[in-house]
Amino acid sequence: AQKITQTQPGMFVQEKEAVTLDCTYDTSDQSYGLFWYKQPSSGEMIFLIYQGSYDEQNATEGRYSLNFQKARKSANLVISASQLGDSAMYFCAMREGLDSGYALNFGKGTSLLVTP
Amino acid sequence: GAVVSQHPSWVICKSGTSVKIECRSLDFQATTMFWYRQFPKQSLMLMATSNEGSKATYEQGVEKDKFLINHASLTLSTLTVTSAHPEDSSFYICSARDNMGLAGGPFHEQFFGPGTRLTVL
Repeated sequence: AQKITQTQPGMFVQEKEAVTLDCTYDTSDQSYGLFWYKQPSSGEMIFLIYQGSYDEQNATEGRYSLNFQKARKSANLVISASQLGDSAMYFCAMREGLDSGYALNFGKGTSLLVTP
Repeated sequence: GAVVSQHPSWVICKSGTSVKIECRSLDFQATTMFWYRQFPKQSLMLMATSNEGSKATYEQGVEKDKFLINHASLTLSTLTVTSAHPEDSSFYICSARDNMGLAGGPFHEQFFGPGTRLTVL
């Protein structure tokens, strides 16, 4: 069963606007971590933000924030003040268990295009 | 910051040949490394978990005799695609776990390599 669901195959946003990329997850574990990665056309995976299941505050990293709704099992990524360089694939991922010895389960990704 | 390298970054080979891909953690030790495969316009799919000094754990549907994994040291894991065929053409990415938590980050993060693009003709 799909553990990470990203329902938006593609998104457009105008430069300087904010955009929300959706992610829902499915787990019965109490301890888990949620991640967002950016993958430009070069293929490298760029870590953006992390949210632990026990973190009460929403994670923020510069222009990135994670809207964590635990009861809804959603972990949406908000990018504020979009830039042309934000155009890329974005993957939501989950690690069940907080130990990094567990692999990540990735969603199918959302392709974001930032227009001038 | 933690750096993971992969070599080669891209490779083109003939069908039937074997290809070895290296994944190195450059500034930290990694008892566990993960190998992922990504087909065009698709997500990353875990192939196997590589543990230093022991046999790799393969995901269901991944042929262990075809994708040989060796994790002989705390900084190096290799993936060998044996008798490669065109359907093995893909982007292979490794990630390494910083088991000592010395590479930075409060949650002993996994760090990704830049990937290897394999094309089998």
